[in-house]
Amino acid sequence: EAQVTQNPRYLITVTGKKLTVTCSQNMNHEYMSWYRQDPGLGLRQIYYSMNVEVTDKGDVPEGYKVSRKEKRNFPLILESPSPNQTSLYFCASSAGQRRNSPLHFGNGTRLTVT
Amino acid sequence: RKEVEQDPGPFNVPEGATVAFNCTYSNSASQSFFWYRQDCRKEPKLLMSVYSSGNEDGRFTAQLNRASQYISLLIRDSKLSDSATYLCVSPGYSSASKIIFGSGTRLSIRP
Repeated sequence: EAQVTQNPRYLITVTGKKLTVTCSQNMNHEYMSWYRQDPGLGLRQIYYSMNVEVTDKGDVPEGYKVSRKEKRNFPLILESPSPNQTSLYFCASSAGQRRNSPLHFGNGTRLTVT
Repeated sequence: RKEVEQDPGPFNVPEGATVAFNCTYSNSASQSFFWYRQDCRKEPKLLMSVYSSGNEDGRFTAQLNRASQYISLLIRDSKLSDSATYLCVSPGYSSASKIIFGSGTRLSIRP
């Protein structure tokens, strides 16, 4: 089954403790992206990747890192999480090069930083 | 002006009604658009792609008006299960391929 898999679904952590949210897709998609969703602010793009070893900042990259060492994986890293990073996070992928390629989303990760 | 703007709603309509909402975009070079549906606390799911001539899928019709730079979504014979937030999405036209989401329109269908 074609899918985008994020883990974990729920995560509660403390300020400053490094964490990684994994994202993997099995559709051989070139484009992958991370979003955070907050009430009243909609979906905001954190980072995206056009292909292996190619990443770029979205609208809200501060406090986050990403890597794209393999095509299928695009982990989101919070080196020193802070409470303002409490949010619902979505990973997404698409075929990318074609403008009419829709995004496929993972199930989301609800992160709470205390 | 935001690149993609939607009326946040909520739209509260009775079951069986026809409801329509729009999404305006600022980049006239945008070629294609999408409507996504998002249920509470779930991931967005593709509802329809919108190309130059519009698109129809069962009770759902999406139209693109390039002159006025908006896309619309029409839902006929609305069902309780149509209650959700509807997101308008415009793939960025720049080489950076930024994908722009509207903030979503909340729709609530009442019995």
